[in-house]
Amino acid sequence: AQSVTQPDIHITVSEGASLELRCNYSYGATPYLFWYVQSPGQGLQLLLKYFSGDTLVQGIKGFEAEFKRSQSSFNLRKPSVHWSDAAEYFCAVGAISSGSARQLTFGSGTQLTVLP
Amino acid sequence: EAQVTQNPRYLITVTGKKLTVTCSQNMNHEYMSWYRQDPGLGLRQIYYSMNVEVTDKGDVPEGYKVSRKEKRNFPLILESPSPNQTSLYFCASSSRDRGGEQYFGPGTRLTVT
Repeated sequence: AQSVTQPDIHITVSEGASLELRCNYSYGATPYLFWYVQSPGQGLQLLLKYFSGDTLVQGIKGFEAEFKRSQSSFNLRKPSVHWSDAAEYFCAVGAISSGSARQLTFGSGTQLTVLP
Repeated sequence: EAQVTQNPRYLITVTGKKLTVTCSQNMNHEYMSWYRQDPGLGLRQIYYSMNVEVTDKGDVPEGYKVSRKEKRNFPLILESPSPNQTSLYFCASSSRDRGGEQYFGPGTRLTVT
């Protein structure tokens, strides 16, 4: 069974500082990896995804993530955080097996606070 | 506009009173899922559906039912709600394509007293 660990429950950064949110996954095959963001009272919005190919993935809002197979990690980064980035971030691993639907397993989330 | 809609957005009910949360998508997606979100636990899948009349259990199916009679709709049914089903519920859909991402609805906040 797949699993996702986000070791940081809450992170606080100053506006303009760089950001890295950690994500470690466990999955037996090549994973499909996602980062979603959830603003207060909102649904989930996809930031970026990795299926194959280039291990550095660019997403929306200036975010990027790097897939490192040797470390089973898919950390999310942004060089300069904006106040509007304050939200909760979820890493997810997806599996598609024969005859089965896409199943996403989510991490427990990292709450990002941005200081002015 | 491509979207997943859920109704109601907020619901307060009492223990044992049957309820249905509707979910509809306009993207002709084959796959649909229901998740519940609880603090510190992230999102956990309740049920999913590969296509019309094809459904299967996710990680936390107890106390829930679903049906998929039409491709666009995937209602979540709580036959006898209990307080431990108080949660934030999300419906999601995706295409069969390998690169198909899951699109999430806005969420339904359910309180069972």
